[in-house]
Amino acid sequence: NAGVTQTPKFQVLKTGQSMTLQCAQDMNHEYMSWYRQDPGMGLRLIHYSVGAGITDQGEVPNGYNVSRSTTEDFPLRLLSAAPSQTSVYFCASSPAMYRNTEAFFGQGTRLTVV
Amino acid sequence: AQTVTQSQPEMSVQEAETVTLSCTYDTSENNYYLFWYKQPPSRQMILVIRQEAYKQQNATENRFSVNFQKAAKSFSLKISDSQLGDTAMYFCAFTDYGGATNKLIFGTGTLLAVQP
Repeated sequence: NAGVTQTPKFQVLKTGQSMTLQCAQDMNHEYMSWYRQDPGMGLRLIHYSVGAGITDQGEVPNGYNVSRSTTEDFPLRLLSAAPSQTSVYFCASSPAMYRNTEAFFGQGTRLTVV
Repeated sequence: AQTVTQSQPEMSVQEAETVTLSCTYDTSENNYYLFWYKQPPSRQMILVIRQEAYKQQNATENRFSVNFQKAAKSFSLKISDSQLGDTAMYFCAFTDYGGATNKLIFGTGTLLAVQP
């Protein structure tokens, strides 16, 4: 049972480059989300999706795009990387109906923008 | 806006002793869920314990228990018989019951070091 798979685990980008962080889940969860984790700030929600074809912004959406063409995949795109986007990124999924169910997290992507 | 506050950036405890991590939150909702997640050095986020706000009984999971004070909006985590494997960052998190999504709001975390 793979759960939530994130790729890559590490990435270094130059300022201005673009890239896509991949996230896939095999649990048929409706709800998927992206968080960034920065020292002293906890995890902050970037974008989320309640199902295929539906996405919305979280707390810190600027500089990021998402799409949800299938239930399984929820990629996060950095359009033009900036040093302020240096962070650890987590993808998470959970079934939409059961709010007390834990969110399942990927192993994170450590992104450095130089 | 809902917020979660963890006022202890770092804590240390001796192996086999008990430690309590603090968490307070702010919300106008009456129904919601609270969670404690553990993040060891591997970076993996692991659910430790959860609490439904409509339940008065405090949740327990083996050596982990919570003290949930709804009126005070407080949700502390007690770890008994601390083990070296408990060394990790601990995050308190909140999600409301009535919203359209499962958005989690996290605190800033407490880094716990268990000393041998």
